[in-house]
Amino acid sequence: QITLKESGPTLVKPTETLTLTCTFSGFSLTTSEVGVGWIRQPPGRAPEWLALIFWDDDKRYSPSLRSRLTITKDTSKNQVALTMTNMDPVDTATYYCAHSVGISVVRGTYYFDYWGQGTLVTVSS
Amino acid sequence: SYVLTQPPSVSVAPGQTARITCGGNNIGGKSVHWFQQKPGQAPVLVVFNDSDRPSRIPERFSGSNAGNTATLTISRVEAGDEADYYCQVWDGGSDHRVFGGGTKLTVL
Repeated sequence: QITLKESGPTLVKPTETLTLTCTFSGFSLTTSEVGVGWIRQPPGRAPEWLALIFWDDDKRYSPSLRSRLTITKDTSKNQVALTMTNMDPVDTATYYCAHSVGISVVRGTYYFDYWGQGTLVTVSS
Repeated sequence: SYVLTQPPSVSVAPGQTARITCGGNNIGGKSVHWFQQKPGQAPVLVVFNDSDRPSRIPERFSGSNAGNTATLTISRVEAGDEADYYCQVWDGGSDHRVFGGGTKLTVL
């Protein structure tokens, strides 16, 4: 049974750096054709993909947010972390992590089949 | 950047068929994934790779994709299907995973 859970601060100030952690079970990020991604969803709006890390440590980022994002994994702890710098009130959203599967070397085939419950992050002074 | 267009809302009576569209330039050449999201809950994958269905999803959910439109079809709609539905694709040109704006399905 695959489960994921996001953790981190619920409130950050403008210009601060956000660090979120995704702790998962039921799979390993050392297994080929597996990835973990981050997606956010502002209140009342559509989801927005942020980043994706693969079992082989390949990392992909949203083109519009690439300069602010870093995704890392700790396979010994079954965790994936996301840092986002220079937070702004427009970054207020529920942040989700999700398990991803696809065809090994074809990174575009990966889709998100299991999602965490999400964590609401508010950016305000 | 690649844009996916969904109707803001679709309404259907119980027992009828709901069709939710997702428009994009030559979307037929991409793999489309569909998510269901109920209020206060995380999105749930209901269709992947245009027309495949996770084992936990009822057969009432199906998908198709051709030309400039992908469609999620929900047969024999139930009250519990009322939710927001989002389509998603990978845009190879920008290596971006793009979501549509979402469609609110209302069961009358």
